[in-house]
Amino acid sequence: GNSVTQMEGPVTLSEEAFLTINCTYTATGYPSLFWYVQYPGEGLQLLLKATKADDKGSNKGFEATYRKETTSFHLEKGSVQVSDSAVYFCALNSNTGNQFYFGTGTSLTVIP
Amino acid sequence: DAGVTQSPTHLIKTRGQQVTLRCSPKSGHDTVSWYQQALGQGPQFIFQYYEEEERQRGNFPDRFSGHQFPNYSSELNVNALLLGDSALYLCASSLGFLGEQYFGPGTRLTVT
Repeated sequence: GNSVTQMEGPVTLSEEAFLTINCTYTATGYPSLFWYVQYPGEGLQLLLKATKADDKGSNKGFEATYRKETTSFHLEKGSVQVSDSAVYFCALNSNTGNQFYFGTGTSLTVIP
Repeated sequence: DAGVTQSPTHLIKTRGQQVTLRCSPKSGHDTVSWYQQALGQGPQFIFQYYEEEERQRGNFPDRFSGHQFPNYSSELNVNALLLGDSALYLCASSLGFLGEQYFGPGTRLTVT
């Protein structure tokens, strides 16, 4: 079956620190992988995606590489800002039914 | 260009009641998916509508039903509400069955 396992939170970092949020997946076939961000009281916003192995998704300083050999899609950012405080969700889409499978989310708080 | 819109934003219901949530897809999109996001959890897929038919369904009981109208908008109905139905309900739309999904801001349902 399809599932996503995400690093437990919450994570608290100082501004300009390096961020890594781990994500591993189990999937049948060849899924696409995503990171979504959710700010308090809001819906989901697509942060980045990768559709095949070795692809790197990037946006707003965030990056994640689709690693088929380790079934991972870890999110990284070199220097976080207070405005990055949010909940981050790793997700996969099986591409056979266009159904998303989400991790449980990782809450990030960045302090000045 | 309007994105995905959902109504109402919030609502409170009593156990045993019925509720209807509404979603208007992004302009040009014809497929709508619904997700339930319990507090502190990732979204869980409920079902997907395409060409006015339910195409896929997640692991949710028959109390959860839906409809898609000729203008592609959609409703989610939940009967015999339980306390555990309290959640943020997210709608996502796409162009075609396998198109990229865009999420709405959600409807927060509280069952007392």
